[in-house]
Amino acid sequence: DAGITQSPRYKITETGRQVTLMCHQTWSHSYMFWYRQDLGHGLRLIYYSAAADITDKGEVPDGYVVSRSKTENFPLTLESATRSQTSVYFCASSEGGGSGANVLTFGAGSRLTVL
Amino acid sequence: GQQLNQSPQSMFIQEGEDVSMNCTSSSIFNTWLWYKQDPGEGPVLLIALYKAGELTSNGRLTAQFGTTRKDSFLNISASIPSDVGIYFCAGQLRGGSQGNLIFGKGTKLSVKP
Repeated sequence: DAGITQSPRYKITETGRQVTLMCHQTWSHSYMFWYRQDLGHGLRLIYYSAAADITDKGEVPDGYVVSRSKTENFPLTLESATRSQTSVYFCASSEGGGSGANVLTFGAGSRLTVL
Repeated sequence: GQQLNQSPQSMFIQEGEDVSMNCTSSSIFNTWLWYKQDPGEGPVLLIALYKAGELTSNGRLTAQFGTTRKDSFLNISASIPSDVGIYFCAGQLRGGSQGNLIFGKGTKLSVKP
């Protein structure tokens, strides 16, 4: 399917477990992003990537790890999940260069609950 | 971190009414975008603005890039029930990294038929 897909859509895990959220886009967009959405905070940037093998921290990177070995994939890993990481996670992508880099297209989200 | 102040937080309106919402900041932005999020879905882009003073329409939606570059406005005319959702502003700071957007906390719109 064309577009940007996230998996799993729903995940329940326990404190201390490792969790990986997957993100795949079919447009060959240069930029990819991970945001978390929490009540009262809106969308906050966790990590972003301008190209394969290039990643940068966003506003709330602590407790998360990302990688970008292929342009189309941008997995987000919680190495040891905590209850404060219960959230809805959104992956997004955008074209590279100029103003196009700022026009993000979002996936449908992954709802993570940490017990 | 940098903040965008989006208001109002929520609105309850009658079908057919016009809606206005805005985002303000103490910082200067190069780009403003407006997104809409339906329940259980990711945000979808409505309008993108790139120049101070720019006024852009998308159907019943009109958005403006403030002349001071510190604010933006979104208007919805003649609201209909499918306008229900959360509307987010987002901006790229002057001097900020491309693609590194700051989001407002959203305006939740409810429309009574």
